[in-house]
Amino acid sequence: AQSVTQPDIHITVSEGASLELRCNYSYGATPYLFWYVQSPGQGLQLLLKYFSGDTLVQGIKGFEAEFKRSQSSFNLRKPSVHWSDAAEYFCAVGPFGNEKLTFGTGTRLTIIP
Amino acid sequence: GAVVSQHPSWVICKSGTSVKIECRSLDFQATTMFWYRQFPKQSLMLMATSNEGSKATYEQGVEKDKFLINHASLTLSTLTVTSAHPEDSSFYICSAEGGQRSNQPQHFGDGTRLSIL
Repeated sequence: AQSVTQPDIHITVSEGASLELRCNYSYGATPYLFWYVQSPGQGLQLLLKYFSGDTLVQGIKGFEAEFKRSQSSFNLRKPSVHWSDAAEYFCAVGPFGNEKLTFGTGTRLTIIP
Repeated sequence: GAVVSQHPSWVICKSGTSVKIECRSLDFQATTMFWYRQFPKQSLMLMATSNEGSKATYEQGVEKDKFLINHASLTLSTLTVTSAHPEDSSFYICSAEGGQRSNQPQHFGDGTRLSIL
């Protein structure tokens, strides 16, 4: 069975500081990995996705993520956060074809001035 | 980019009533739509997978008679919460997947907050 672990429930960083959100997955085949962001009371917006190719993927809003098969990880990074980045971030894994995504429990990001 | 519209965004109703939530793909044909439920400060739990013209596939533990799903066209799926009770209060989110299997991600609606009094 596939699963996703986001070890950090809540992270607080200062505006302008760098950010890394952790994601570990368990999947029997080649995973299809996603990072989504959710603002309060809203749906999910796709930040980036990985299926194959370059293991460092670039997404929207200055985010990037690196797939490390040996560590079963797909951590999300941003070199300098902005106050508008405060939100809930979800990592997800699924098969190619995008059916039945499994989501992590999310990491809530708080930005302090 | 692909847009999924979900309506209503917020509904409050009395216990015992039925509530219908619509999910529309605005600029693409969605062969598959998904319905999720999200409890406060928790992750998304897949409730069911809806394919156009066929019966929805429900996840284990989801009452299909309670949560009626209809995917009548390639751009519209509806979730009806029948005889809603306070424990049905939650945030419901739909997503849509378009076209043949590819690396197209699911596109999510903005969610519907359902509050049952």
